[in-house]
Amino acid sequence: RKEVEQDPGPFNVPEGATVAFNCTYSNSASQSFFWYRQDCRKEPKLLMSVYSSGNEDGRFTAQLNRASQYISLLIRDSKLSDSATYLCVVIAGGFKTIFGAGTRLFVKA
Amino acid sequence: DGGITQSPKYLFRKEGQNVTLSCEQNLNHDAMYWYRQDPGQGLRLIYYSQIVNDFQKGDIAEGYSVSREKKESFPLTVTSAQKNPTAFYLCASKGNGYTFGSGTRLTVV
Repeated sequence: RKEVEQDPGPFNVPEGATVAFNCTYSNSASQSFFWYRQDCRKEPKLLMSVYSSGNEDGRFTAQLNRASQYISLLIRDSKLSDSATYLCVVIAGGFKTIFGAGTRLFVKA
Repeated sequence: DGGITQSPKYLFRKEGQNVTLSCEQNLNHDAMYWYRQDPGQGLRLIYYSQIVNDFQKGDIAEGYSVSREKKESFPLTVTSAQKNPTAFYLCASKGNGYTFGSGTRLTVV
């Protein structure tokens, strides 16, 4: 089993749709969680951190479920510009950072 | 503005040749990392350095070498011993989160 798993997609959604991605992790001692966005042939960029209490940034909401060992990202009112690959990142203590393989999202007009 | 600069953006290597990828940061971060990204896979750690004059092997260090003579610089050499070097290479430094360079796309010709 991979340490961090994501559904690779692609998710094809129309503009205005709500879409959600999940990411599961295997190490119960994992401490920090992030979502990164990566555009085609570009570097990953931090989208948001994920906290146990959940956090929201505009149209984006991130949640952490420690009991079931997954994090989620919800995007409301999808825009064409949201088309990208979304990487789940888990830090399991010290420097050990695991990047998920990413979920591809295509938002269509 | 602070950031990470990787060069070159594209690099072509002949069989049996060593090549060096440059990574410079002006974020005053102690920790720097090299990752490799292949299609459909998450980022895999090649080498990391938590402080000047110190570096450690990551998960896929074979065929690569690094140096950390200055805080700002963490060059990666892809040696002829690396049998499958064609990939997208990302340098990162870590403060509150990871900041990535724009990447170097290496192709063997």
